[in-house]
Amino acid sequence: AQTVTQSQPEMSVQEAETVTLSCTYDTSENNYYLFWYKQPPSRQMILVIRQEAYKQQNATENRFSVNFQKAAKSFSLKISDSQLGDTAMYFCALNEKLTFGTGTRLTIIP
Amino acid sequence: KAGVTQTPRYLIKTRGQQVTLSCSPISGHRSVSWYQQTPGQGLQFLFEYFSETQRNKGNFPGRFSGRQFSNSRSEMNVSTLELGDSALYLCASSEGLAGALLSYEQYFGPGTRLTVT
Repeated sequence: AQTVTQSQPEMSVQEAETVTLSCTYDTSENNYYLFWYKQPPSRQMILVIRQEAYKQQNATENRFSVNFQKAAKSFSLKISDSQLGDTAMYFCALNEKLTFGTGTRLTIIP
Repeated sequence: KAGVTQTPRYLIKTRGQQVTLSCSPISGHRSVSWYQQTPGQGLQFLFEYFSETQRNKGNFPGRFSGRQFSNSRSEMNVSTLELGDSALYLCASSEGLAGALLSYEQYFGPGTRLTVT
């Protein structure tokens, strides 16, 4: 069965610092997609970044990048130059059976 | 384009009652997925509908059911409510099947917060 594990329930960093959120997953599929979603307080969930498993190059979206290690089934999210608006719950997700992790609550400290 | 809308936004029900939640997807989107979000469990997938047919289903009891109409709007029904059903129910729409190999991006609604007393 597919699983997604986020082992960091909460994290906090100073504004402008870099932070890395961890995610591991398990799937029997060879082709799949991985996602990071962001849910700000009292606001709607939005897609941050996506990675296609057959692409070796790590996805990047402005200050957000991933470290995708397919053999290790690891998919971490790095946020550079963190901003106050990055404060949110972050969910790692796998497209198979639309499986989400339990989330990491990230707080950016001014 | 207007985003995904969900109604009602808040709901209070008592145990044993049944409830229907509604989701209107982004115009042109044919897939609607439903999730239950609780603090301890994160997001758990309920089901996905595409072209009025349930295409994927999570591990929830039969008390949870859904349907999709020809205009892609979707409803979710929970019968015989239990205290543990208290949660934020999220709906997400996508152009194609989100759970499929190509995996279209999902756009989430604001959710319906259901409280069961």
